[in-house]
Amino acid sequence: DIQMTQSPSSLSASVGDRVTITCRASQSISTYLNWYQQKPGKAPKLLIYAASTLQSGVPSRFSGRGSGTDFTLTISSLQPEDFATYYCQQSYSTPDTFGQGTKLEIK
Amino acid sequence: QVQLQESGPGLVKASQTLSLTCTVSGGSISSSNYYWSWIRQPAGKGLEWIGRIYTSGSTNYNPSLKSRVTISVDTSKNQFSLKLSSVTAADTAVYYCARRDGDFPYYFDDWGQGTLVTVSS
Repeated sequence: DIQMTQSPSSLSASVGDRVTITCRASQSISTYLNWYQQKPGKAPKLLIYAASTLQSGVPSRFSGRGSGTDFTLTISSLQPEDFATYYCQQSYSTPDTFGQGTKLEIK
Repeated sequence: QVQLQESGPGLVKASQTLSLTCTVSGGSISSSNYYWSWIRQPAGKGLEWIGRIYTSGSTNYNPSLKSRVTISVDTSKNQFSLKLSSVTAADTAVYYCARRDGDFPYYFDDWGQGTLVTVSS
């Protein structure tokens, strides 16, 4: 299985801050990398697919970069509704695997 | 975009079989290039992919669960189902059904709201 490792596991930030979350794959996955946002008690929501393509309706303050083994999710200016847990997911090979999550909390 | 809704018992006894159904609305489960998937999440933990079924009926399972999992589809009811046998407390989780795109990059774009299944001893 391909292991996905996110860092940090948790992050405290303030409204307006720029934050970056990193996701590393245990082997090259090209750009078979997707990002999700999950709020408490809710299902995950697709934010970014193919490493850098914004899903329809997702604000432009979200962006993704990377290929191979190293990927980032950046939120350019945090809004109150962005405080949530973020997961990366590789779809390069079966089984699909997710990172352990990064919990973004209000400072 | 489609809507997915999980249903099934919220409490299952240890050693028995967990059975869940996902009802798809807003589109036909058999008409498009999608994988219909199950994913679970223990309380306070991350997401674990369980398996998927393609519109053709072919399946793929997580090797860690493969010996206990069966996913099937009922196109007449626009539903797909999960059976997980010989459950233990470790199988207690919120179970999500989700639609996975059939082409690169294979993202999960629509999810059910999730259903909590508790395994009791």
